[in-house]
Amino acid sequence: NAGVTQTPKFQVLKTGQSMTLQCAQDMNHNSMYWYRQDPGMGLRLIYYSASEGTTDKGEVPNGYNVSRLNKREFSLRLESAAPSQTSVYFCASSEQGLPNYGYTFGSGTRLTVV
Amino acid sequence: DQQVKQNSPSLSVQEGRISILNCDYTNSMFDYFLWYKKYPAEGPTFLISISSIKDKNEDGRFTVFLNKSAKHLSLHIVPSQPGDSAVYFCAASAGGTYKYIFGTGTRLKVLA
Repeated sequence: NAGVTQTPKFQVLKTGQSMTLQCAQDMNHNSMYWYRQDPGMGLRLIYYSASEGTTDKGEVPNGYNVSRLNKREFSLRLESAAPSQTSVYFCASSEQGLPNYGYTFGSGTRLTVV
Repeated sequence: DQQVKQNSPSLSVQEGRISILNCDYTNSMFDYFLWYKKYPAEGPTFLISISSIKDKNEDGRFTVFLNKSAKHLSLHIVPSQPGDSAVYFCAASAGGTYKYIFGTGTRLKVLA
């Protein structure tokens, strides 16, 4: 009963390097999301995918790209990492059409860009 | 501009007493509200929700109150337990969309 699995858990990048954060869910949820958490800022939505084959920008999409590979997987890519992207990244999923059931979150990826 | 605000960054409460966590919002289109609990090094976990057609929702020790005219919601935990010590986030969405806007969180410490 894994829920939402994120890899890696920790990563250190140099400025300008690229990387992809992976996320997979096994709950057959339609919708998936990427959030970042920064001190004093709460959780901010980067991108979301309402259903397989669709993606949309959230509050803070600049510097990121996403791919909804299939119903289970939703990846987040940093093409050229910047120190401002140092954050904890959370992937989440939810059942479409049931907003009051909330999201299931993964345990996060702590990314440091030096 | 912060659409969802949690103005108290931290709160300490004695075990057995009531904890009240507050959240204010500015967007009158918000119609679903959630509370999440987050322990260190873990993802947030869903706690309780309320839709704008209600003014109260209870689940065990947790009750959420919604005051639409004041654009204010609160989470009551009674009685508070040491295991409730965590960061609590409120979140809001509009029109059944898939996007929740989160507050900045309140760190609750329940003292034994």
